[in-house]
Amino acid sequence: GEDVEQSLFLSVREGDSSVINCTYTDSSSTYLYWYKQEPGAGLQLLTYIFSNMDMKQDQRLTVLLNKKDKHLSLRIADTQTGDSAIYFCAERGSSNTGKLIFGQGTTLQVKP
Amino acid sequence: GAGVSQTPSNKVTEKGKYVELRCDPISGHTALYWYRQSLGQGPEFLIYFQGTGAADDSGLPNDRFFAVRPEGSVSTLKIQRTERGDSAVYLCASSPHGGGNTEAFFGQGTRLTVV
Repeated sequence: GEDVEQSLFLSVREGDSSVINCTYTDSSSTYLYWYKQEPGAGLQLLTYIFSNMDMKQDQRLTVLLNKKDKHLSLRIADTQTGDSAIYFCAERGSSNTGKLIFGQGTTLQVKP
Repeated sequence: GAGVSQTPSNKVTEKGKYVELRCDPISGHTALYWYRQSLGQGPEFLIYFQGTGAADDSGLPNDRFFAVRPEGSVSTLKIQRTERGDSAVYLCASSPHGGGNTEAFFGQGTRLTVV
């Protein structure tokens, strides 16, 4: 079955890099996503990576994909207090429905 | 509208009652999704509409849950005989179409509390 796992909590100092990790089980996943959720707000798409890519960089965000190990990571460079939020990893399977399977979320705490 | 709108933002209901949750997708988006997010968990897929039809309802937990999208725009999620375990944030998302990699835009959600 489809399953996505994440560590629950990460604490970093402002200015440091943050690395949030995710593992998934569906080898037929076509796209993998990172969403951000701030308190009382909806889910915001941060970035995504296609399954035939190893890495994608977008400003302070770097996504690494190890398809063999089904491991995805999100690195945030120069982490700011405004980056404090819950980060969700999600996979999209091979079906054409666009249905996403989410992990349980990683709470990122950024200390000044 | 500018984004996905969900109403009400909060709903408190008594156990056993019927509730309806509304989603207004972004204009022109043919794909619409409902997810449920319990406290401390990630969103869990419920149902996907392509136009007016439910293309995938595999996530609906049981027959107390039903959703419609009669004109291919607004959708209503209906829950009969609510139970305390139904308490969660119900999220709606829409995208221009369901295939390929199209970004799904999420609404703010409806927080349902069953007392």
